[in-house]
Amino acid sequence: EPEVTQTPSHQVTQMGQEVILRCVPISNHLYFYWYRQILGQKVEFLVSFYNNEISEKSEIFDDQFSVERPDGSNFTLKIRSTKLEDSAMYFCASSEEQGLGQPQHFGDGTRLSIL
Amino acid sequence: GDSVTQMEGPVTLSEEAFLTINCTYTATGYPSLFWYVQYPGEGLQLLLKATKADDKGSNKGFEATYRKETTSFHLEKGSVQVSDSAVYFCALSDWAAGNKLTFGGGTRVLVKP
Repeated sequence: EPEVTQTPSHQVTQMGQEVILRCVPISNHLYFYWYRQILGQKVEFLVSFYNNEISEKSEIFDDQFSVERPDGSNFTLKIRSTKLEDSAMYFCASSEEQGLGQPQHFGDGTRLSIL
Repeated sequence: GDSVTQMEGPVTLSEEAFLTINCTYTATGYPSLFWYVQYPGEGLQLLLKATKADDKGSNKGFEATYRKETTSFHLEKGSVQVSDSAVYFCALSDWAAGNKLTFGGGTRVLVKP
């Protein structure tokens, strides 16, 4: 069964450094998402992306965050200058369509630790 | 805005016991409802879904019924196995509002042999 893959599985970065989290969505999917889960808290929506544009973003997704689909397969989340509070598990997801009940398929996540 | 509330865990059960995880929601539109499961060290996997009132989603012996009158989507399984030990997330999406998922806090289930 096709999978969403995320790399790396664990990223450790110094505060203030830039970090790029990578995702390869399922190949025929058109809609892409990033979520994060701070330890002990809910999974939170960050951003959705379609047709090379951001469709929707949450309040969390400020100017320090950006997303890109640099080629036909990768979908990346960049944090420009990391803060301690960015430490979390980041999940990438994709869906084939955006209709009623369309499920999103998730990767295994990248655990980001900011020191 | 939309929100999902589910019972806090951990829930500890013996094998073959009956499992119920309560989930209620608030939504401005007419959402689709989902249960996702996260096994240790893995990502979120779709377990089941329902898209309209009185729909029953089912998979792997798990069931949940979309109850619009009580705004609930409780997850049930009649006889759990050790392999069902995981964290279960209730979620909703409103495709007319962008299709983003809104999650509950997750419920950890531990099944003992």
